[in-house]
Amino acid sequence: AQRVTQPEKLLSVFKGAPVELKCNYSYSGSPELFWYVQYSRQRLQLLLRHISRESIKGFTADLNKGETSFHLKKPFAQEEDSAMYYCALSPAGAGSYQLTFGKGTKLSVIP
Amino acid sequence: GAGVSQSPRYKVAKRGQDVALRCDPISGHVSLFWYQQALGQGPEFLTYFQNEAQLDKSGLPSDRFFAERPEGSVSTLKIQRTQQEDSAVYLCASRRDGETQYFGPGTRLLVL
Repeated sequence: AQRVTQPEKLLSVFKGAPVELKCNYSYSGSPELFWYVQYSRQRLQLLLRHISRESIKGFTADLNKGETSFHLKKPFAQEEDSAMYYCALSPAGAGSYQLTFGKGTKLSVIP
Repeated sequence: GAGVSQSPRYKVAKRGQDVALRCDPISGHVSLFWYQQALGQGPEFLTYFQNEAQLDKSGLPSDRFFAERPEGSVSTLKIQRTQQEDSAVYLCASRRDGETQYFGPGTRLLVL
């Protein structure tokens, strides 16, 4: 069975401070990891996926298989980053489809 | 282009009532997913369609939950004899094969 853990329900940081949203996972096979974001009154949307290794809106995340982690980082938080962030896992492979989500972390950026 | 749409956006039901939730996926998206998101939780997988075929319904919590996608496009999630524990946001997502899932705005169901 696969599991995603986001240990922080709420994270508050000041504008301009670094941000790290933690995500740990449990899965016996080879996973694909994602970060989804939900801004206030908007729908859930993909922020980034580990296989693309790209930076979106200044956010990056590195898959650490040894620590089974996929933490989301941004060096300087902006007010517009305030949102709910969900880490999700899918088994890797062409036919895979099922996403398992963590419970989410609410990021609040204080002006 | 138009994204995934869901209707109704809000539904209040009395306990024991049947409800039907609709999802219109992005045109051309073969795969369609339903998720249930309880308050304070992340979305949890309910069921998956590829075209009109329901390939996985392992996440449906009971036989009161039923989903269909008869023509491989619009999908309906039906909940019979609703219970208070069914109160949640029901999310629909669609995707092309192998690509990312695009989510709808969700239907917020409240069972009194």
